[in-house]
Amino acid sequence: GQNIDQPTEMTATEGAIVQINCTYQTSGFNGLFWYQQHAGEAPTFLSYNVLDGLEEKGRFSSFLSRSKGYSYLLLKELQMKDSASYLCALQRGGGGADGLTFGKGTHLIIQP
Amino acid sequence: NAGVTQTPKFQVLKTGQSMTLQCAQDMNHEYMSWYRQDPGMGLRLIHYSVGAGITDQGEVPNGYNVSRSTTEDFPLRLLSAAPSQTSVYFCASSPRSSGNTIYFGEGSWLTVV
Repeated sequence: GQNIDQPTEMTATEGAIVQINCTYQTSGFNGLFWYQQHAGEAPTFLSYNVLDGLEEKGRFSSFLSRSKGYSYLLLKELQMKDSASYLCALQRGGGGADGLTFGKGTHLIIQP
Repeated sequence: NAGVTQTPKFQVLKTGQSMTLQCAQDMNHEYMSWYRQDPGMGLRLIHYSVGAGITDQGEVPNGYNVSRSTTEDFPLRLLSAAPSQTSVYFCASSPRSSGNTIYFGEGSWLTVV
């Protein structure tokens, strides 16, 4: 099976930087996703890591270390609209056919 | 291009009633899946399908049936609703050619009383 751990809640200040960590235990996976989810809405894709290392996309970056069972999402220049839940998810086997296993999500609160 | 369409968006059921949550996608995606999301539990995979005529169980399949008679549609059936099935349900689809392109529907809010 797959077990994914994320902090339940984090608070950060507008304009600052925040890092959301995700640790996992699994026998294998295709890739690791990060999603953003605002209350009452569907998850929105942020990033996808297959290889170890950093993927940068604007204000968002995601890092993966397969050997350490660890990923993080880095959000820079925080804006109030970044207040949301952030979901770490492992892509199960089968080239993406077998669905995703999600962590419980991290609720990020941005303060002025 | 409608993407992934789920209906209904909101539904209230009585315990023991049956209903079907509909999911349709117009992108000719091979892969489709259903998740439920409960407070503090994240999204959990119920059933998934890799193509028409093929379905398989995810983490929490009990109490749910699915079928995939066409590429476009992947309905989720609750045969005898229970209060424990009160949840938000999301349908997702993705193409075989690109495993990191996953589209989610807008969600269906189900309450079983």
